[in-house]
Amino acid sequence: NAGVMQNPRHLVRRRGQEARLRCSPMKGHSHVYWYRQLPEEGLKFMVYLQKENIIDESGMPKERFSAEFPKEGPSILRIQQVVRGDSAAYFCASSRGLAETQYFGPGTRLLVL
Amino acid sequence: KQEVTQIPAALSVPEGENLVLNCSFTDSAIYNLQWFRQDPGKGLTSLLLIQSSQREQTSGRLNASLDKSSGRSTLYIAASQPGDSATYLCAAPPGGGADGLTFGKGTHLIIQP
Repeated sequence: NAGVMQNPRHLVRRRGQEARLRCSPMKGHSHVYWYRQLPEEGLKFMVYLQKENIIDESGMPKERFSAEFPKEGPSILRIQQVVRGDSAAYFCASSRGLAETQYFGPGTRLLVL
Repeated sequence: KQEVTQIPAALSVPEGENLVLNCSFTDSAIYNLQWFRQDPGKGLTSLLLIQSSQREQTSGRLNASLDKSSGRSTLYIAASQPGDSATYLCAAPPGGGADGLTFGKGTHLIIQP
């Protein structure tokens, strides 16, 4: 039973490029969450999605960041025109339903040069 | 807005000791509370989830308690082992909500062989 999968595990981008981070939830899970961990800081919630719907994006920066969870395929976190301050570990989690255990993926470590 | 605080920030103890990690949260109208461990450069591993109707949960040498009225949770680790060395994170959802978790900054635990 595969856990939450994220790819790529490491991503290097130059300033101004786009970053696309992918997350495949655990089998049977329809709730996906994205979190960001900046260097020397704690994990911060970004966005919560269910299939084809954004439920809560209160933690997502208003500009350059977007997320989707299509009917088919993985959830995607997209960062346009990356800046050095976007360098962080981005974690995806999934759960079977509301108020249930969130299981985390291994994360994508983004480095912006 | 939910805020989560963990103390101590760091702890170093000899192998075999029993220890307690503390977590406090500001909005007590939570559905549940979750404890994780994070190893350096890795993702999060879910340890225990306590539902709001429960007072404690146990898994092996780990026991987590929840006191909603005082806004506190503790993680008790019995007979600590070097393999327990990691950062332990406490996370709570928003009061009355069940989506994005708010994380504490963690307790960095070192178990000396």
